Amino acid sequence: GAGVSQTPSNKVTEKGKYVELRCDPISGHTALYWYRQSLGQGPEFLIYFQGTGAADDSGLPNDRFFAVRPEGSVSTLKIQRTERGDSAVYLCASSQNGRNTGELFFGEGSRLTVL
Amino acid sequence: AQKVTQAQTEISVVEKEDVTLDCVYETRDTTYYLFWYKQPPSGELVFLIRRNSFDEQNEISGRYSWNFQKSTSSFNFTITASQVVDSAVYFCALSEPSSNTRKLLFGQGSTLHVQP
Repeated sequence: GAGVSQTPSNKVTEKGKYVELRCDPISGHTALYWYRQSLGQGPEFLIYFQGTGAADDSGLPNDRFFAVRPEGSVSTLKIQRTERGDSAVYLCASSQNGRNTGELFFGEGSRLTVL
Repeated sequence: AQKVTQAQTEISVVEKEDVTLDCVYETRDTTYYLFWYKQPPSGELVFLIRRNSFDEQNEISGRYSWNFQKSTSSFNFTITASQVVDSAVYFCALSEPSSNTRKLLFGQGSTLHVQP
């Protein structure tokens, strides 16, 4: 497709379980970002990839969160031992080259609910 | 420290009214970028505008206009003759090139309801 694609759109899991959220960026976009949006709040930065490498992971809240982008395209956000506080919408965005022009193209998000 | 504050959490207007959404920011950097994004009910954030700190010219795009005032650290957004389709959450955001992180710091958002 033409836009950023995220799957699943909704995920309900139990506390303590492992989840993976997938992001398929716009073709050719080298920069990829993960943000987390809690109810009634603005998106919060989690991690930024330039190509295959994580250029900035300062927003990951703790070591239960991990993300990969092995071939420089699709990225997976992995959350271990989920907690209720992890419930949020996880947004993925991509941009053409990662320069600070800031025109990020966002997906519709993956809504995670931890029971 | 960086901070973005949006004064209006939620605002309701009647169609054809003008509405202004306020954004005030804090940054230590002299070079920075400011943005507005729209988030309709579908959830996908849509880019509206980018402004760099050296360009204080106001901008107009159709019914949308932006007023950047460096002296008051504000970057306000006005919708003229609002329409029901303008109903969404609007986010102001800040980016600092010197941080080299390419990340955006978003405000908490302003939810706009336009009533027919």
